Amino acid sequence: KNQVEQSPQSLIILEGKNCTLQCNYTVSPFSNLRWYKQDTGRGPVSLTIMTFSENTKSNGRYTATLDADTKQSSLHITASQLSDSASYICVVISGNTPLVFGKGTRLSVIA
Amino acid sequence: ETGVTQTPRHLVMGMTNKKSLKCEQHLGHNAMYWYKQSAKKPLELMFVYSLEERVENNSVPSRFSPECPNSSHLFLHLHTLQPEDSALYLCASSRETQYFGPGTRLLVL
Repeated sequence: KNQVEQSPQSLIILEGKNCTLQCNYTVSPFSNLRWYKQDTGRGPVSLTIMTFSENTKSNGRYTATLDADTKQSSLHITASQLSDSASYICVVISGNTPLVFGKGTRLSVIA
Repeated sequence: ETGVTQTPRHLVMGMTNKKSLKCEQHLGHNAMYWYKQSAKKPLELMFVYSLEERVENNSVPSRFSPECPNSSHLFLHLHTLQPEDSALYLCASSRETQYFGPGTRLLVL
């Protein structure tokens, strides 16, 4: 069964600290993996897209990693800001099948 | 802003009402989607339209009826909904990457 598991479910960190969010998937065959940020009351916005051959990709303070062998991805946020408070959703795409969404990690950055 | 707009942003309706959700994009995308997002659950794909033809319907109850009159507009017609249908309804469009609208927060009383 195609599944995407994210951890932790929720996370609270102090402003300026770093954090890492995890995504494990069982989706096969694998096409690509995406991280979305969803602010409260808004739709998800794409942060990064990782293909099979990519191990690391950065977008500002966000760095995503992918290990296609172990089927794991992480999203590292550096020097967190209050505006990083949101849900971060991992999505795996497999060929022509619908996107498989994780439940998301709810991140709260506090001053 | 992602370029995908949804109206209304909030909707409260009774179980006997009929309402419609609207989604619009002018990004030149050729596929549009309806998702349901409930608390603590992954996004659930409801409908997919590609080139204005429905290609996916994940066994959604018939009280939800989609309509895609052209490549820029997508509707979700609602009738005789149940309280468990209360959720955030997200529209998305894509050529490759999906761009999501802000969603309609629906409450069924």
